Amino acid sequence: QKEVEQNSGPLSVPEGAIASLNCTYSDRVSQSFFWYRQYSGKSPELIMSIYSNGDKEDGRFTAQLNKASQYVSLLIRDSQPSDSATYLCAVNGVGSGYSTLTFGKGTMLLVSP
Amino acid sequence: ETGVTQTPRHLVMGMTNKKSLKCEQHLGHNAMYWYKQSAKKPLELMFVYSLEERVENNSVPSRFSPECPNSSHLFLHLHTLQPEDSALYLCASSHSLPGQLYNEQFFGPGTRLTVL
Repeated sequence: QKEVEQNSGPLSVPEGAIASLNCTYSDRVSQSFFWYRQYSGKSPELIMSIYSNGDKEDGRFTAQLNKASQYVSLLIRDSQPSDSATYLCAVNGVGSGYSTLTFGKGTMLLVSP
Repeated sequence: ETGVTQTPRHLVMGMTNKKSLKCEQHLGHNAMYWYKQSAKKPLELMFVYSLEERVENNSVPSRFSPECPNSSHLFLHLHTLQPEDSALYLCASSHSLPGQLYNEQFFGPGTRLTVL
């Protein structure tokens, strides 16, 4: 059974700090990895996708992937109170074109002013 | 309308009722998904339609019945539900391109379902 593990948190950081969110996955053949942000009572919003080992930066967000260690992370620089949300890690299985995502339970991030 | 839309946004139903959830995507995608999100549990994939054909059904009880009349619309028909079916039901869509592994999924706002 494919598993995606995340620390449930909450992860508390002060405004302006770097928040580091981590995720491990069990299926070695996974090819693509996603981070979604979910505000309370809302639906998940895709914020980052990463497919190759290394870092991928988009604004204040950096996703890091290490397939050998089966580890993916999300760094949020200059954290803002508006970043307070649950961050879901999702891993794509091997399919016939359509995606089959396995989600972690999410890490709650709290950014204090 | 843009993105993925879902109606209704909130639904309260009794265990003997029959209702339907509707999803529409305006992204030109050809794969659509139903997920269930319950408190303290990861998102659970229920059904996948690719090119209007159901390709995955993750052991979902028969009281949930999906329908995909075309690549832009997806329905979830509900009947004789149980209180434990109360949850947020999310629709998502993506491209479905054979040989393409990197299809991103985009979610609708969800339907908050309460079964009394």
